[in-house]
Amino acid sequence: DIQVTQSPSSLSASVGDTVTVTCRASHSIDNFLNWYQQKPGKAPNLLIYAASSLESGVPPRFSGSGSGTDFTLTISSLQPEDFATYYCQQSYNTPGTFGQGTKLEIK
Amino acid sequence: QVQLQESGPGLVKPSETLSLTCTVSGDSISSNYWSWIRQPPGKGLEWIGYIYYSGSTSYNPSLKSRVTISVDTSKNQFSLSLSSVTAADAAVYYCARDRLGIGYWYFDLWGRGTLVTVSS
Repeated sequence: DIQVTQSPSSLSASVGDTVTVTCRASHSIDNFLNWYQQKPGKAPNLLIYAASSLESGVPPRFSGSGSGTDFTLTISSLQPEDFATYYCQQSYNTPGTFGQGTKLEIK
Repeated sequence: QVQLQESGPGLVKPSETLSLTCTVSGDSISSNYWSWIRQPPGKGLEWIGYIYYSGSTSYNPSLKSRVTISVDTSKNQFSLSLSSVTAADAAVYYCARDRLGIGYWYFDLWGRGTLVTVSS
């Protein structure tokens, strides 16, 4: 299986900050990398697919980049509703493995 | 508005079979791939497998020997069966709609999830 490793596992930031979450794949996955946001007690919500494509309805302060093995999710001008847990997922092949998650907390 | 809704027992005994159903409304089950994904309490996400309306399936190798996903197009539903459950199978189980094509595969719509506890 392709492993995906997220960093950091947790992150503290303030409203208005810009933060970056990193995801590294154990093998090259081209641009087959997706990002999800999950709030407590809720299902995950798709933010970014194919490394950099913004899902419809997702605010443009969310952006993704990368290819091969290294990827980043950037959230600009953090809003109160952005404090949540973020997961990356490789979709290069099955099983579509997820990263362990990054919990974004309010500083 | 497309909605997915999981249903099934919230409590399963060890060694028995977990059975869940996902009902799709607002979209035809014949138009996409459909997945099951689970999340143990306080932990990360694990893809279980997907099915196409034709019945074609793909499973996570770690669960393949115990998993069956089936589809009922007449009811616009798909189902999960996981046999010989243990405490390690306790989780919130989500059904999701896959977007799968050349150059992409992702889950763009999720059910609310259903918590399954494994206990005697």
